[in-house]
Order: sequence, then structure tokens, then C-alpha cells
Amino acid sequence: DSGVTQTPKHLITATGQRVTLRCSPRSGDLSVYWYQQSLDQGLQFLIQYYNGEERAKGNILERFSAQQFPDLHSELNLSSLELGDSALYFCASSLRPGGARTDTQYFGPGTRLTVL
Amino acid sequence: ILNVEQSPQSLHVQEGDSTNFTCSFPSSNFYALHWYRWETAKSPEALFVMTLNGDEKKKGRISATLNTKEGYSYLYIKGSQPEDSATYLCAFNFGNEKLTFGTGTRLTIIP
Repeated sequence: DSGVTQTPKHLITATGQRVTLRCSPRSGDLSVYWYQQSLDQGLQFLIQYYNGEERAKGNILERFSAQQFPDLHSELNLSSLELGDSALYFCASSLRPGGARTDTQYFGPGTRLTVL
Repeated sequence: ILNVEQSPQSLHVQEGDSTNFTCSFPSSNFYALHWYRWETAKSPEALFVMTLNGDEKKKGRISATLNTKEGYSYLYIKGSQPEDSATYLCAFNFGNEKLTFGTGTRLTIIP
């Protein structure tokens, strides 16, 4: 158990809908990262927050947005969902803002999103 | 586009045998390389973070080496056990805030 929690574990929804994925980082970690794992693709970095502020952005669609709250939990909002958004969405956390460089990132169990 | 490539894509190894696989990355702008193990139905688990050319890291029967000049890292598993079955991911950091992951090597240990 990495100490990172994600809810829900599974989510099934229809095209055009909007969903919110939630992540709580490990105790003491200030940085939160979101990744998308689609079929036959590697983990794709979406976005990073540090202490409530956006720190880095990857290949995140405009239909997707995220935020980190004062208690450090983070939410990833996916709207106008398409079939191709079906994927496993991971959240990871690390202590420092430059965590991607040398700090270990601790991954949550993921949310599997299915868009029908 | 800066790519991280892993080979082979999949591997079947007899229990007790040793094995290794490769992660290739651009040799310029190196900052750090991460190795993760990802078991089915679980989340990726960190194995090593490597930053210096010539680095060697070890954790039990698993070890890794790093050559930043030629742009590769090897992961070795000695005396494979069934619990080693997993996908092994490497991830490269180019000096910014994000990790670029390879697609992984899926290792299956045959009892």
C-alpha cells in the first residue's frame, strides 16, 4: 500500500458526460501528479500540482481539468467524455515540487474509467 | 519527440533463471531515470531512481545499471521467482517536472 488513495475504483459512464476522479496523496507529500494509461500506450503524464498550484502540464486535453485543494487532495475533472477517454487514470504523489527528477513518485491504485 | 524505449516488450523466463532487459533514452539532457514494477491489478511500485553515469543499484535479487553517455539502463533479475512476474517500467526525466514512461517489459516467470 503506497499511502495514495483514489476514488472511485471503477467508473462507467456514457459519452458526453462529466466525471470527477479524486486522489489523496501520501501524508506529508505536497505534489500530486495525474497520469492516463490507455490500451497499448505507456503511462502518459497529464498534469502536476504542488501545494495547490499547477506546476507542470503534459498532454492534457482541454476537456480535462484538475485542481488541488488546501487539504492537498486533488480532483481530475473529465468532461464531454468520448469513447477514447476510456483508460486507467493514476494519481501519484511525491514530497517536493521537483519530485519527478529524483524523488520517488508513489502511485495510487488507479481509477478505471469506461465510457460507453 | 523525446522517446523512452524498452525491450523486449515481453519475456518468458523459467523459474530460477536470470534475466535482463533494456531501457533506452536520449543521451542528451539526462537528469534521472526511474524504474518501476507494475503487478497486474496493482499500482506501479518504485524500484530505483538513478542519476549518475555508472550508477548501480540493487534491491534483493533485482539490480540496475545506468549508462547516460550511450543512453541506456539495464535491469537484471537474478534467480527469477514467480512473484517477479510483472511489467517493468522505466521513466526518464529531462530536467523538468514530468516523467516520460516507456511502454514496459512484461515479464512472465514459468514455474
